[in-house]
Amino acid sequence: EPEVTQTPSHQVTQMGQEVILRCVPISNHLYFYWYRQILGQKVEFLVSFYNNEISEKSEIFDDQFSVERPDGSNFTLKIRSTKLEDSAMYFCAAAGEAYEQYFGPGTRLTVT
Amino acid sequence: TQLLEQSPQFLSIQEGENLTVYCNSSSVFSSLQWYRQEPGEGPVLLVTVVTGGEVKKLKRLTFQFGDARKDSSLHITAAQPGDTGLYLCAGVQGAQKLVFGQGTRLTINP
Repeated sequence: EPEVTQTPSHQVTQMGQEVILRCVPISNHLYFYWYRQILGQKVEFLVSFYNNEISEKSEIFDDQFSVERPDGSNFTLKIRSTKLEDSAMYFCAAAGEAYEQYFGPGTRLTVT
Repeated sequence: TQLLEQSPQFLSIQEGENLTVYCNSSSVFSSLQWYRQEPGEGPVLLVTVVTGGEVKKLKRLTFQFGDARKDSSLHITAAQPGDTGLYLCAGVQGAQKLVFGQGTRLTINP
């Protein structure tokens, strides 16, 4: 089964600090996504990325968030100045031509 | 944003029983995916349904997409303790983003 990997598995940071969450998508997939899940709530879409640019983003994905795929393999989500309410599980997902999205194991972000 | 409502939210049954989980929306989705999520892990894709009325089977699990592509169901036959988990439906909207339901937490008691 295809596998998406994410690092770190758990990140603790102080409010106002920058964090970078990393994802290694499946190698032949073309579409990449970030989702988040606040404890006890639904999985929420943040952003989709195709052909080295953002194709869609949600209201949550404000100016504090950015994504990039710097080296053709890693796909990163940066939060510039974290807030307490950014604490959540962040999932990376990848899809190929069939558009079926495969999720990574997630990064648990805790902002203190 | 289109919403997906899953029911029931919680279901606890005995091993060997059958069950059905529902996923409903007032909007049409181009396709719908079912996932299973274990605590502290990412959702794992079970199936994608695309065509209205489509039925897909995965061993004891049967997935159906409604004719109007607004709803879907997951039926499990002869449930086993290993089926315990959180089942999520997710509809594809726009540029392939997924809209998730809140999930059905299923517990199968031995």
